[in-house]
Amino acid sequence: SAVISQKPSRDICQRGTSLTIQCQVDSQVTMMFWYRQQPGQSLTLIATANQGSEATYESGFVIDKFPISRPNLTFSTLTVSNMSPEDSSIYLCSVADRFDQPQHFGDGTRLSIL
Amino acid sequence: EDQVTQSPEALRLQEGESSSLNCSYTVSGLRGLFWYRQDPGKGPEFLFTLYSAGEEKEKERLKATLTKKESFLHITAPKPEDSATYLCAVQARGSQGNLIFGKGTKLSVKP
Repeated sequence: SAVISQKPSRDICQRGTSLTIQCQVDSQVTMMFWYRQQPGQSLTLIATANQGSEATYESGFVIDKFPISRPNLTFSTLTVSNMSPEDSSIYLCSVADRFDQPQHFGDGTRLSIL
Repeated sequence: EDQVTQSPEALRLQEGESSSLNCSYTVSGLRGLFWYRQDPGKGPEFLFTLYSAGEEKEKERLKATLTKKESFLHITAPKPEDSATYLCAVQARGSQGNLIFGKGTKLSVKP
């Protein structure tokens, strides 16, 4: 399966700042997704990153807070904007060949907001 | 509302002591049910996909089964290296990829 690299692996940020997380895949993939894993909670889908068009956001997530880019079939970024302590979480990128196929995950970005 | 509930939250086993993890789900038409393993500091690692009731999949000491309301992950004669959090997720028919996850079962296997 594809090798998925996320950067940074962890970061500590000040409230009110923004951080961009990168997801790089070693082969072209059709589907790319961004999830959030809050402490003690389930993984929750933030959005589907669409190549060449705006991302599709799930209920409760908005583009102004989580802007996403996907310039090609191997790369995507997620920005967490105007961060607050509630944004402290693990953010994970996943990929799949088709929307009904198993998704494969990167190791995540562990984000702490002070 | 589509929902996944996993039990127990945590399970401690002795090496060689077989057991089962449960995943109960409610979904508006199941496209697929997925099992993942997650080690500390890592992303979820795909284990199995089940698509229809009665289906079974096996891999080494793990066997996953599916009914219309739940799935079981059976662990036979576990070893310490099987210690991890096991996640269950469902995908609804009509979904464009959204996986709905349970909170997971944290398995500890003691030598």
